[in-house]
Amino acid sequence: QQPVQSPQAVILREGEDAVINCSSSKALYSVHWYRQKHGEAPVFLMILLKGGEQKGHDKISASFNEKKQQSSLYLTASQLSYSGTYFCGTVNTGTASKLTFGTGTRLQVTL
Amino acid sequence: EAGVAQSPRYKIIEKRQSVAFWCNPISGHATLYWYQQILGQGPKLLIQFQNNGVVDDSQLPKDRFSAERLKGVDSTLKIQPAKLEDSAVYLCASLSQGGVYAGELFFGEGSRLTVL
Repeated sequence: QQPVQSPQAVILREGEDAVINCSSSKALYSVHWYRQKHGEAPVFLMILLKGGEQKGHDKISASFNEKKQQSSLYLTASQLSYSGTYFCGTVNTGTASKLTFGTGTRLQVTL
Repeated sequence: EAGVAQSPRYKIIEKRQSVAFWCNPISGHATLYWYQQILGQGPKLLIQFQNNGVVDDSQLPKDRFSAERLKGVDSTLKIQPAKLEDSAVYLCASLSQGGVYAGELFFGEGSRLTVL
């Protein structure tokens, strides 16, 4: 079951904040976040494991609410380099190491 | 450290023809994935290998797609015969230590297939 992301697209001015949500209909063991720039391969951002962990590096952080089967990615003081499509990937409880990617959120940061 | 290598980068074929894509994962990565990414969509898992064994191929259209990973290193994905809807980027990824629960997937640059 593919996780659903929202919003589908967002346009920001440099310095603004954004939140991207990822929701699954099945119990989650872990959530992964990747960013893909146009014409390039997805690049890993972070993993959140079951346990309500919150992670972050630089000005990008994420939370994981296992009860709601949701994760959110927070981009603070966005930079032009943040532009791209963000995908969450989920590993459902009991599905071994199968990583299923979400529908994607296209983020564009402008001057 | 060398990344995940894929070839060819681009391929244009007529429908009903066949095509093969090759992937060489990062050295030592036991888990290898093939994903299909249609324009504007998220990557869709086709097949997952652990060493040279198949872990999951539930979304692989087995009437036309096949994949193998001989000797547990490089892998080949084949489509025969190709259909128009197979036009996509085929991404190969390998998994670092710790399994997917703790590891990150390293993706190759992908092979872009256009079926005319």
